[in-house]
Amino acid sequence: QLQLQESGPGLVKPSETLSLTCAVSGGSISRSSYYWGWIRQPPGKGLEWIGSISYSESTYYNPSLKSRVTISVDASQNQFSLKVTSVTAADTAVYYCARVNGHLGPFDYWGRGTQVTVSS
Amino acid sequence: DIVMTQSPLSLSVTPGEPASISCRSSQSLLHSNGYNYLDWYLQKPGQSPQLLIYLASHRASGVPDRFSGSGSGTDFTLKISRVEAEDVGVYYCMQGLQTPPAFGPGTKVDIK
Repeated sequence: QLQLQESGPGLVKPSETLSLTCAVSGGSISRSSYYWGWIRQPPGKGLEWIGSISYSESTYYNPSLKSRVTISVDASQNQFSLKVTSVTAADTAVYYCARVNGHLGPFDYWGRGTQVTVSS
Repeated sequence: DIVMTQSPLSLSVTPGEPASISCRSSQSLLHSNGYNYLDWYLQKPGQSPQLLIYLASHRASGVPDRFSGSGSGTDFTLKISRVEAEDVGVYYCMQGLQTPPAFGPGTKVDIK
């Protein structure tokens, strides 16, 4: 059974960089038919797609975040990562990683999510 | 960008009764390959979202057959034939046709 697990700091200061990692187990991140994505959910709000990456590092980003977001993959560690620069309180959210069965969807396996709060 | 809307935004259902959620997109989600790139997710309280339906009408692995999806173009429907207590949560539709994939605002379903 495929499992995904997010990890990273739960608290980030304004203007700094948010960094998260998603560890994949129970399957290889290198399967060419899948992408790997990040989605976030601000407190009490809906879901926002951040971006997706393939094992060959082909990326798609949400234009609303593109200037601040980098997604990378480390196939040797079977994990992928998210960086968001110059964070503000608006970046406070639960961040989910997910497997993308295609390149834009559907998201068929999800991690449990990790809370990231931006505050000084 | 494609904008997704849902109705109703909240729904209270009696166990054993049917329920229906509507989702509308600002542009057609019908690809030239004949598939509608519309998915449905359920986020149960305190959990991450789970995939219910993909490509408008295909049930994901392990999803009970009381869930069904239909529609084409810009209008889609999720139906629950007989609601059970475990079906409570927020239901989201999502378009996966073009970047950026976009979720609807969600429909909160609870039990009467």
